[in-house]
Amino acid sequence: LAKTTQPISMDSYEGQEVNITCSHNNIATNDYITWYQQFPSQGPRFIIQGYKTKVTNEVASLFIPADRKSSTLSLPRVSLSDTAVYYCLVGLAGYSTLTFGKGTMLLVSP
Amino acid sequence: GAVVSQHPSWVICKSGTSVKIECRSLDFQATTMFWYRQFPKQSLMLMATSNEGSKATYEQGVEKDKFLINHASLTLSTLTVTSAHPEDSSFYICSARAARGGAGEQYFGPGTRLTVT
Repeated sequence: LAKTTQPISMDSYEGQEVNITCSHNNIATNDYITWYQQFPSQGPRFIIQGYKTKVTNEVASLFIPADRKSSTLSLPRVSLSDTAVYYCLVGLAGYSTLTFGKGTMLLVSP
Repeated sequence: GAVVSQHPSWVICKSGTSVKIECRSLDFQATTMFWYRQFPKQSLMLMATSNEGSKATYEQGVEKDKFLINHASLTLSTLTVTSAHPEDSSFYICSARAARGGAGEQYFGPGTRLTVT
């Protein structure tokens, strides 16, 4: 399983765009990149998943460079409710297990 | 879509008793479900992988006789913590994999807070 490295914490203000970068230098050819959000005392929530280039949905964008050794989760115009821990995971398509790293604690202030 | 529920959401039990936690996929069938444990201010740790109709696969260091997992149907998996002790107090989270294209992303339940007194 590819190991991921993320910043331990990030601070932002309401209305700003937040970019969280994850390094996964030994990502395998068939690995997908998935991001989850977790609030205290709740289960993680799926945010976005991608394999290459750019993926966008209603809540976030995921940028993946050509070498796929890193990825960036972009949250446009964050609000206080985006304060949470964000996890980056990589895994083989259909692979049974996900390994959670320490995640990035995002704190959004007024 | 892709909703996973857990019951109960929290439970308090006395040391030495057993507790059962249910995990249900409400709007999809899940051939595989996963059980995680999360201690305060720590990340999720995978305990076991539960496949419908077969024995669960436990991660290294997880006692299979203590944490009994039953995946009896495509929408229900249960985790029973037997002879619970205070050190078993934790946040237990299940997930179910929706195998629809892509990488079969996992959808997580809301978690169950277990406190053993």
